[in-house]
Amino acid sequence: QKEVEQDPGPLSVPEGAIVSLNCTYSNSAFQYFMWYRQYSRKGPELLMYTYSSGNKEDGRFTAQVDKSSKYISLFIRDSQPSDSATYLCAMSFTGGGNKLTFGTGTQLKVEL
Amino acid sequence: GAGVSQSPSNKVTEKGKDVELRCDPISGHTALYWYRQSLGQGLEFLIYFQGNSAPDKSGLPSDRFSAERTGGSVSTLTIQRTQQEDSAVYLCASSLHDTDQPQHFGDGTRLSIL
Repeated sequence: QKEVEQDPGPLSVPEGAIVSLNCTYSNSAFQYFMWYRQYSRKGPELLMYTYSSGNKEDGRFTAQVDKSSKYISLFIRDSQPSDSATYLCAMSFTGGGNKLTFGTGTQLKVEL
Repeated sequence: GAGVSQSPSNKVTEKGKDVELRCDPISGHTALYWYRQSLGQGLEFLIYFQGNSAPDKSGLPSDRFSAERTGGSVSTLTIQRTQQEDSAVYLCASSLHDTDQPQHFGDGTRLSIL
């Protein structure tokens, strides 16, 4: 079993929909949680960076962390075709040199 | 430039050859990370540097893989006697330091072994 599980999709939604992306993890030592967006043939681009449990909002993006359930989510409001990409969750723990453990990524397509 | 720069962007080579991949981190970032992204395995950690030291090399898949960093800046990842299973995208990231800081990625080197 992988340390971080993420549904690979693909996920297809109409423009304007609310998108929910999720990851579960098994290592309770993870304390820092990130979401990256990756376009084809590009490197991952940091979207959200959160510490411990709670919510964080940035524009159309909201990240949620529930450490008791070992579950993290990214919500995208008013989705746009330009949001079509692969979304990767990643996490790290203090004292681990900051190295990241990634989910396999969810492929999202937002259709006109 | 402002971001992490990697070169070459693409590399095609024959099985058995050695390859060198280069990463130039964001200016002022002391921590530098190498990851590998392949279809079956996703994104996997290889090695990281804090300054010129490599405290964690645990992700290097074999002794054919090595990396160095000089002057606390540019890093090179070397793969000797390449095998077909080495085909992947090699990504470099940097962060301000190696404790609880977000990492920013380059666009990677797409390596194909014939």
